[in-house]
Amino acid sequence: QSALTQPASVSGSPGQSITISCTGTSSDVGGYNYVSWYQQHPGKAPKLMIYDVSNRPSGVSNRFSGSKSGNTASLTISGLQAEDEADYYCSSYTTSVTQVFGTGTKVTVL
Amino acid sequence: EVQLLESGGGLVQPGGSLRLSCAASGFTFSNYAMSWVRQAPGQGLEWVSFISGSGGTTYSADSVKGRFTISRDNSKNTLYLQMNSLRAEDTAVYYCAKDLEQYSASPTGAMDYWGQGTLVTVSS
Repeated sequence: QSALTQPASVSGSPGQSITISCTGTSSDVGGYNYVSWYQQHPGKAPKLMIYDVSNRPSGVSNRFSGSKSGNTASLTISGLQAEDEADYYCSSYTTSVTQVFGTGTKVTVL
Repeated sequence: EVQLLESGGGLVQPGGSLRLSCAASGFTFSNYAMSWVRQAPGQGLEWVSFISGSGGTTYSADSVKGRFTISRDNSKNTLYLQMNSLRAEDTAVYYCAKDLEQYSASPTGAMDYWGQGTLVTVSS
């Protein structure tokens, strides 16, 4: 199972909105509404930000939102803040009854 | 408060074995599926294995199938990963993670609590 494709880096200024894409196939992202997004700060464990494409766990800011179109899922961060600077990973359920992560995106707040 | 505490990592020679443990507390352990996820130094996340709450259903990545075995002891609130025939490419921080929803039967990917990770280094 190949990793889902994400841009290596995305940047934005404080207050702006950015979007991170996550491209898979019909065997993973496109086939199921089981896409999750994780935030990871250096040296820390990942944190769940979005699950089932667009749902936010309790306690996650509503500045984070998720969507999906075809084989591509997206995470949008609005009102970008310094604390949002981190690595972001998407993940998806697959037809092989496995889970696959994306390649990861480094978000830089300018 | 949910807590997950991994242990058992360390330095092992290629071809060797290691067993990781993940002690869980703060939730009804047997109601939740658990997973192992690893991260090689400076690299991205890689899903390793999944086990249902009862322990009756398991799934693993092709990269570890036949070498790694996930299991759990619900009486001890502990998750395990038995790793055999270790290779250099298995070097990583290994995280245990709890499913968001109760009674999951497959690795849909929503994991809301993670341990701090334990480092496994495979080298001669």
